[in-house]
Amino acid sequence: DAGVIQSPRHEVTEMGQEVTLRCKPISGHNSLFWYRQTMMRGLELLIYFNNNVPIDDSGMPEDRFSAKMPNASFSTLKIQPSEPRDSAVYFCASSNRGGNTEAFFGQGTRLTVV
Amino acid sequence: SQELEQSPQSLIVQEGKNLTINCTSSKTLYGLYWYKQKYGEGLIFLMMLQKGGEEKSHEKITAKLDEKKQQSSLHITASQPSHAGIYLCGAESDMRFGAGTRLTVKP
Repeated sequence: DAGVIQSPRHEVTEMGQEVTLRCKPISGHNSLFWYRQTMMRGLELLIYFNNNVPIDDSGMPEDRFSAKMPNASFSTLKIQPSEPRDSAVYFCASSNRGGNTEAFFGQGTRLTVV
Repeated sequence: SQELEQSPQSLIVQEGKNLTINCTSSKTLYGLYWYKQKYGEGLIFLMMLQKGGEEKSHEKITAKLDEKKQQSSLHITASQPSHAGIYLCGAESDMRFGAGTRLTVKP
């Protein structure tokens, strides 16, 4: 397996534009996590899906952020409209929850909003 | 949610020295992860601890979970420049992580 695949790796966008980040989890994993990492706030859990259903979205900062998981092999994190303070590295991770196994992380998407 | 505090925030050691990083939880840990992150990259899994008193090793890195399951330590013996990076502890229960410890190893 190629691991968790995120795209794009880098994104630069203007304030006010819509941004969509994509994630392909490891095949067979039943859980997917979106994180945001900044120097100031560290690694924050944004939302967690189990079997494609959002279980915990308490970390989603505000209504500008939304996440979907239409099927077991794909998830998106959308920011609309984007703001400079959204600049961060966004990570996706997947795991087989309940199997006492670790979460595997993607390489991240570095988002810069100017 | 489970609050995880890591100490120190950053650490600079001379190559060959031993070091310890700590992770303390506000609640009982039912599973704790240790991950390492190099700059600009994703997190790499090191080990998972679940039982009180459990200790695991991976090459020169040893992690232990205390009997009360509220504190974990990660110890590196004879540090090398390849050990440099950010070490993060995470709670298995809610998949939230501590702020991380940034390790620099001077050759």
